[in-house]
Amino acid sequence: GAVVSQHPSWVICKSGTSVKIECRSLDFQATTMFWYRQFPKQSLMLMATSNEGSKATYEQGVEKDKFLINHASLTLSTLTVTSAHPEDSSFYICSARNLAGGPNEQFFGPGTRLTVL
Amino acid sequence: DAKTTQPNSMESNEEEPVHLPCNHSTISGTDYIHWYRQLPSQGPEYVIHGLTSNVNNRMASLAIAEDRKSSTLILHRATLRDAAVYYCILRGGGAGSYQLTFGKGTKLSVIP
Repeated sequence: GAVVSQHPSWVICKSGTSVKIECRSLDFQATTMFWYRQFPKQSLMLMATSNEGSKATYEQGVEKDKFLINHASLTLSTLTVTSAHPEDSSFYICSARNLAGGPNEQFFGPGTRLTVL
Repeated sequence: DAKTTQPNSMESNEEEPVHLPCNHSTISGTDYIHWYRQLPSQGPEYVIHGLTSNVNNRMASLAIAEDRKSSTLILHRATLRDAAVYYCILRGGGAGSYQLTFGKGTKLSVIP
C-alpha cells in the first residue's frame, strides 16, 4: 500500500529556533500534500494545501511567514516552523494525495511531535 | 463543507460487532462519505468510503441510509487494536475537492 513518511518523528527545540519537518510519499507520486496540526485531545486542523511546484494555500488564521511550506518534488513537501515558540508545540501531520487515485486517495504520515521549550 | 455529527465516545466488548453512527443531514448529492480512524499518537488511517451504496472491505462495512442523511460504520468483530478515534468526513466530489475536514470524531474503547 501507499506509504507516507515524516521526519523527524519527534523534535524538541528551544524557543526562537526554526524546525523543518519533511513529508515524503515513498511509493507514489503526490501532486498535492496537506499539512495538519493537532493539539492534545483535539481534532486535526488543516493548516495548508501544498501543490507541487506552486505556492501553498494557507487556511485562515495560519501565518504563512511562520509556517513555510515547500513542495519541490512529487514526493517531498517540507514544513518549516520559523522562530518557534511554546504555543507552536503540537502534533504535525501531513497527508499526500495519490496522483493515480484509487479507492483511497489520501494517505497520512505518522506525524511529528514538536515540543518547543 | 457539509457537517457531520458523531457521538463523542462509544464502548464495545472485544470480539463483538460495533456500529458507529454518523449524521450528515446537509449532505449534497456529490459528497462522498469517508471514514478514517486515528490510533493514539499516530496519523489517521483510511477505513472506507462510499457514495450511495453500501460498501465492504477487509477492515469494515459502510451502511448508507437511503436518503444519505446518515451512515453507519460497522466493525464486524472489535479487537483491542480497533480502539481509536473514528472520523466521519464528507468530501465533495468535484475536481480538486480533496480536502478533508475533521470533526471531533467518536472515541471507541474496546473492553477485553
